Amino acid sequence: AQTVTQSQPEMSVQEAETVTLSCTYDTSESDYYLFWYKQPPSRQMILVIRQEAYKQQNATENRFSVNFQKAAKSFSLKISDSQLGDAAMYFCAYRVDQTGANNLFFGTGTRLTVIP
Amino acid sequence: ETGVTQTPRHLVMGMTNKKSLKCEQHLGHNAMYWYKQSAKKPLELMFVYSLEERVENNSVPSRFSPECPNSSHLFLHLHTLQPEDSALYLCASSHYRDSSYEQYFGPGTRLTVT
Repeated sequence: AQTVTQSQPEMSVQEAETVTLSCTYDTSESDYYLFWYKQPPSRQMILVIRQEAYKQQNATENRFSVNFQKAAKSFSLKISDSQLGDAAMYFCAYRVDQTGANNLFFGTGTRLTVIP
Repeated sequence: ETGVTQTPRHLVMGMTNKKSLKCEQHLGHNAMYWYKQSAKKPLELMFVYSLEERVENNSVPSRFSPECPNSSHLFLHLHTLQPEDSALYLCASSHYRDSSYEQYFGPGTRLTVT
């Protein structure tokens, strides 16, 4: 069974500082996708960043980057130069790479607070 | 209107009521999903529809009944719910045949069962 674990229910960061959110997952598959989704208060969940397991290079999207450690099954999210708008719930998610089934497995989320 | 929309945004219903949640996507996707989001629990996938056919039902109680009349619309019919069914219900859509595509989520319906 695929499971995703986010061990930090809550995190806080000072504005303009850097914060890292952790995520580990359990799978026997070799090809899969990993995602970080952001859910601001009372707003829609949106994709922050995506990583293909077959790519060794860590994905980056502006101030967001990941540290993907395939052997350790670890997928952490680093937010640089944190902004007030980064305050949200962050969910790590996993999906097997196969056509057809497109089911995402989510972690329990990390609530990020940004302190002005 | 673009993206994934859901109505109503908030719903309070008694255990004997019948209500429906509606989801609409304007992204040209061919797969739609219902998720249940409860506090401190992972999002739970309830139903998956591809090309208007149900492809997965993760052992959801029969008091939840989905309907997908076309690729743009998805409903969740509710009847005789329990208080533990109170949660945020999220709809999502994606391209079904390409696993690299992300899912796009709606804003959710906050359901309270009294």
